[in-house]
Amino acid sequence: NAGVMQNPRHLVRRRGQEARLRCSPMKGHSHVYWYRQLPEEGLKFMVYLQKENIIDESGMPKERFSAEFPKEGPSILRIQQVVRGDSAAYFCASSTGTGGGEKLFFGSGTQLSVL
Amino acid sequence: QKEVEQNSGPLSVPEGAIASLNCTYSDRGSQSFFWYRQYSGKSPELIMSIYSNGDKEDGRFTAQLNKASQYVSLLIRDSQPSDSATYLCAVYNNNDMRFGAGTRLTVKP
Repeated sequence: NAGVMQNPRHLVRRRGQEARLRCSPMKGHSHVYWYRQLPEEGLKFMVYLQKENIIDESGMPKERFSAEFPKEGPSILRIQQVVRGDSAAYFCASSTGTGGGEKLFFGSGTQLSVL
Repeated sequence: QKEVEQNSGPLSVPEGAIASLNCTYSDRGSQSFFWYRQYSGKSPELIMSIYSNGDKEDGRFTAQLNKASQYVSLLIRDSQPSDSATYLCAVYNNNDMRFGAGTRLTVKP
């Protein structure tokens, strides 16, 4: 039973390029969260999605960042025109979305380095 | 702004001692509370969940919740060097899961 799959594990981009981070949730999970983590810091919420819907994107910068979770395929976090400050670990987590308490299962993360 | 606050540490305890990790939260409507453990360079891993006031024990771990004080804690008994990690408190309300910055725990042999 595969867990949450993120790829790539490491992504190197030059300033101005685009970064695409992929997340395949656990089987049976229809809810996806994206978090960003800087070294020695906690997880910063970015966006929460269900299939084909963005539920909460209040943690995501309005410019250059976008996320989607299509009916088929993985969730994608897209960062356009990357800058050095975008360098961080990006974690995806999935859940079943049932009420009464979410238990999140995390992927291994994508370490984005912007040169 | 929904805040989840933790002491960043580092918290250092000797092997065999009790480690006590604390967390406060600002959103009174919060429904569910979680503790995640994150080893350096790894992804967070769920270790405890608690939904109602009081204590919940699982092996060497005890989670404590006090909704009136908006306080949740994690006790680790008989601490082992392998418990050395960052512990993240997470608070859930209505599709919104927020994390604290984490407390780094070091257990010294």
